[in-house]
Amino acid sequence: GAVVSQHPSWVICKSGTSVKIECRSLDFQATTMFWYRQFPKQSLMLMATSNEGSKATYEQGVEKDKFLINHASLTLSTLTVTSAHPEDSSFYICSARVSGWGEQYFGPGTRLTVT
Amino acid sequence: QKEVEQNSGPLSVPEGAIASLNCTYSDRGSQSFFWYRQYSGKSPELIMFIYSNGDKEDGRFTAQLNKASQYVSLLIRDSQPSDSATYLCAVSLNTGTASKLTFGTGTRLQVTL
Repeated sequence: GAVVSQHPSWVICKSGTSVKIECRSLDFQATTMFWYRQFPKQSLMLMATSNEGSKATYEQGVEKDKFLINHASLTLSTLTVTSAHPEDSSFYICSARVSGWGEQYFGPGTRLTVT
Repeated sequence: QKEVEQNSGPLSVPEGAIASLNCTYSDRGSQSFFWYRQYSGKSPELIMFIYSNGDKEDGRFTAQLNKASQYVSLLIRDSQPSDSATYLCAVSLNTGTASKLTFGTGTRLQVTL
């Protein structure tokens, strides 16, 4: 299957700082990537759809000014958590859509802890 | 009503048995259906997807789709302890370039020795 990488795999930051997470498609071009968040023992929650060369589409209830998404190339999307707070601590996972049937391949995830 | 429903489990099956995981969805316009496996602390891994009524087999895994009943299932034959994980059912409304996946909450499978 298609390979998606994420960096960093984990990060600890202080409250009020910003954190950038990178998502890369390694062996294919992804015009569309997705960002999810998962809290412990809960299912995946889609945060936004990232489209190459255009603005991201955010799901209802997700603050676009807090979670900045940039999809500057066909292989890279970034999520920046601005002014992070402890409640933003979560497992952030990106995925890339590969073909016409909509299957998505996930990156390994980034575990964010805000102290 | 949740859009994609799964029994949270845990579903416990002995090693070597068949595990049957079920999923129902509410939107009749759904086009594609996916099964992901997620180990604790890891991201989801795509097992297989199906878009036509009937069965689709891939190794020990068989996906079954019944659009009339809005039901999709995953059978795992010869279950192994390494199959112990949470299985997520996901549904896509369309096959366009920005099609989103709607996930169920997952069924935790435990394969016992």
